[in-house]
Amino acid sequence: QSALTQPPSVSGSPGQSVTISCTGTSSDVGSYNRVSWYQQPPGTAPKLMIYEVSNRPSGVPDRFSGSKSGNTASLTISGLQAEDEADYYCSSYTSSSTYVVFGGGTKLTVL
Amino acid sequence: QVQLQESGPGLVKPSETLSLTCAVSGYSISSGYYWGWIRQPPGKGLEWIGSIYHSGSTYYNPSLKSRVTISVDTSKNQFSLKLSSVTAADTAVYYCARVAYYDILTGYSPVGGFDYWGQGTLVTVSS
Repeated sequence: QSALTQPPSVSGSPGQSVTISCTGTSSDVGSYNRVSWYQQPPGTAPKLMIYEVSNRPSGVPDRFSGSKSGNTASLTISGLQAEDEADYYCSSYTSSSTYVVFGGGTKLTVL
Repeated sequence: QVQLQESGPGLVKPSETLSLTCAVSGYSISSGYYWGWIRQPPGKGLEWIGSIYHSGSTYYNPSLKSRVTISVDTSKNQFSLKLSSVTAADTAVYYCARVAYYDILTGYSPVGGFDYWGQGTLVTVSS
């Protein structure tokens, strides 16, 4: 069981928007802004899409955005494209001795 | 362009020690940032193993701490992972990555977004 809770799957049609949630606790997501999101197409290494809740690394399309409210962080993908189909993982700093926690991952299907 | 490349045996016997190395190019480890190891069992999610600074300062996942050693060789611009007493549960794709977190007040941190990743290497534990 992962420390951060994500929905197992989400789906959307091309051009639509989808949001993936990542729920933690006051020991991680709720108290720290070190929340990151990763995209992982099958058979490839994860790619950093969002860091520190809402910052995009250079080269990541602005269709990807991150936010946080309370103990839940969210990744929103607008203008869905077929190439966005992948697994998405969130992670956070945690004040527990674990230091880093990941979500269980969400499979995004573009219909 | 920062690049990371994992190397090491793809098959390890139960109870033995898994050893991997991550060679970094395009950036000097001595210049800063923490460097980490993350693993992913087949069909499952990501698990942070630990992170190291060029000074040798390390942070480990408590669930693996008793079996893990991460070291750095700045002269070769690489860092390494050793995981002892492996079992089938340690079968996974092992990734190395850079921790992209720097705060002007507190400096570099072992925890943050991983911005550059190696391609990953599958290590199977089996006799």
